[in-house]
Amino acid sequence: GENVEQHPSTLSVQEGDSAVIKCTYSDSASNYFPWYKQELGKRPQLIIDIRSNVGEKKDQRIAVTLNKTAKHFSLHITETQPEDSAVYFCAAELGGTSYGKLTFGQGTILTVHP
Amino acid sequence: DGGITQSPKYLFRKEGQNVTLSCEQNLNHDAMYWYRQDPGQGLRLIYYSQIVNDFQKGDIAEGYSVSREKKESFPLTVTSAQKNPTAFYLCATRTSGIIDTQYFGPGTRLTVL
Repeated sequence: GENVEQHPSTLSVQEGDSAVIKCTYSDSASNYFPWYKQELGKRPQLIIDIRSNVGEKKDQRIAVTLNKTAKHFSLHITETQPEDSAVYFCAAELGGTSYGKLTFGQGTILTVHP
Repeated sequence: DGGITQSPKYLFRKEGQNVTLSCEQNLNHDAMYWYRQDPGQGLRLIYYSQIVNDFQKGDIAEGYSVSREKKESFPLTVTSAQKNPTAFYLCATRTSGIIDTQYFGPGTRLTVL
């Protein structure tokens, strides 16, 4: 099956700095890569996603890049704010008959210091 | 997300008891999923269902059971066979397109006393 590794496990930045979280996946058939943000005790919320036919996608301060050859994708947050502090999860979905099964990374605890 | 409800929010059970977690959706989504989340870990798939009256085991199905009698409902039963059931349980839904997004319910925190 698919395996997703996420790094770093914790990330601490100053307000206004950039933050980068990286994930690698094992199955080259994976074709959909969402990122979720989860605040303490809350549900994961989708913040951005990317399909395998696209190399980069941006939404205001958030961007995701995908390198299919190397089988890794990254989340970039610019101009970080204290409200960006949360746990971030990457995930990968196999195509075909995988029925939308997502395999998640272990998560990154992002702390933005004012 | 507001169209997915899970109840109860907190649940306590004694060892040896079965307990059922509710998941209801009004999004008209075909697919539904159950995940388990342990502290400091990612989400692991327990069961999923693409259509009514059909469901498949995920990566950690042992000790759990589900049913899908209605499109709107996908209850999860945590049985006494589950050795370490204390966790945060999340239900998710997804449309049946080739690739589409999963949306999560608010979760149920189960604690075994």
